[in-house]
Amino acid sequence: DGGITQSPKYLFRKEGQNVTLSCEQNLNHDAMYWYRQDPGQGLRLIYYSQIVNDFQKGDIAEGYSVSREKKESFPLTVTSAQKNPTAFYLCASSIYTGYEQYFGPGTRLTVT
Amino acid sequence: AQSVTQLGSHVSVSEGALVLLRCNYSSSVPPYLFWYVQYPNQGLQLLLKYTSAATLVKGINGFEAEFKKSETSFHLTKPSAHMSDAAEYFCAVSEGSGSRLTFGEGTQLTVNP
Repeated sequence: DGGITQSPKYLFRKEGQNVTLSCEQNLNHDAMYWYRQDPGQGLRLIYYSQIVNDFQKGDIAEGYSVSREKKESFPLTVTSAQKNPTAFYLCASSIYTGYEQYFGPGTRLTVT
Repeated sequence: AQSVTQLGSHVSVSEGALVLLRCNYSSSVPPYLFWYVQYPNQGLQLLLKYTSAATLVKGINGFEAEFKKSETSFHLTKPSAHMSDAAEYFCAVSEGSGSRLTFGEGTQLTVNP
């Protein structure tokens, strides 16, 4: 059963701690993406990767980092440098960039 | 660079009424166009896509959209709204392989009994 998994669904952290969000896909897609969603602000692109061992900054990359060591996996680290990390984070993948993206169920991160 | 505008951040319809969600785009090349639906606390689900084939595209859950080049529009319609259609809807555009997908700000659809 192909798809994208994100874990955990809910994540709570204290301010000042780094936290890593997991994203795995078994769709054999080359491209993967991370978005942030805040109420009333739509989706904002954080990072994307077109191929293993390569990734590019999106529109709001400051305070985030990613890695792409395997085709299936694209973890996102929210660092302590991110000033307002509480948000809903969505991972997506597509066969190539520019084509339809398929989304995971999301991770809701709360930092207090 | 491409862009997309969704007219109306909130749309309210009665159950059984026509659903019309508006999307206008700009693109320097023939675009790829997409509509997604998002239910609360869930990811986005692809409803339908246009990639330069038939201009009238049918999607899941009874939705369809028509690509109108002269109007640079890709409006989403459904003849009869159901309570389960209440969700947020996103229009997106790309300029094909190798380009970014640009999302609109979303339209929240409310269906009244």
